[in-house]
Amino acid sequence: GAGVSQSPSNKVTEKGKDVELRCDPISGHTALYWYRQSLGQGLEFLIYFQGNSAPDKSGLPSDRFSAERTGGSVSTLTIQRTQQEDSAVYLCASSLGRTSGGGDTQYFGPGTRLTVL
Amino acid sequence: ILNVEQSPQSLHVQEGDSTNFTCSFPSSNFYALHWYRWETAKSPEALFVMTLNGDEKKKGRISATLNTKEGYSYLYIKGSQPEDSATYLCAFRNFNKFYFGSGTKLNVKP
Repeated sequence: GAGVSQSPSNKVTEKGKDVELRCDPISGHTALYWYRQSLGQGLEFLIYFQGNSAPDKSGLPSDRFSAERTGGSVSTLTIQRTQQEDSAVYLCASSLGRTSGGGDTQYFGPGTRLTVL
Repeated sequence: ILNVEQSPQSLHVQEGDSTNFTCSFPSSNFYALHWYRWETAKSPEALFVMTLNGDEKKKGRISATLNTKEGYSYLYIKGSQPEDSATYLCAFRNFNKFYFGSGTKLNVKP
């Protein structure tokens, strides 16, 4: 079946512009995560959606970052007034969403490489 | 912010060598420990999800152990092959959040 897809795969933008990154999770997965990996750093949690519950936004680095998930499926990560430090690979992952016991496997998309000039 | 550390940062081995790396994580509020393999230009791929202290998982030549009391997990690769070259990530799950280490980059020379 289809995996997690993300678009665009690469995005180059100028400082101060807004960007939107899209994630299509695996069908039937209720949990969706956004991460980013800056150069030389590990994966950094940004935001988590589970079904219709309020998202966990505690990882968003500033109020320039926001995300939404429409209809419990597609998610969009928006970065307003981009800065050079926003340059990173942004990864999306989805999972079935079973939280009991912790044994819930995440499936990652290919990522969007964002470069802010 | 929870600290998850992986060592070594990088590793160069010859084809056929066996190798192992370490993931250290907090020993409290443990939900699960995940291992991923991330090849260049591809998505991270789940290797193991470990939830119980003393867990041992195996997939082909790759295996992993878990010690939640002392907060570490080992990943072993037996008889490394060039196709094993990748970055191996561990992630500590605390409720709904995953805290990733920086990864161990493995390069297997033919």
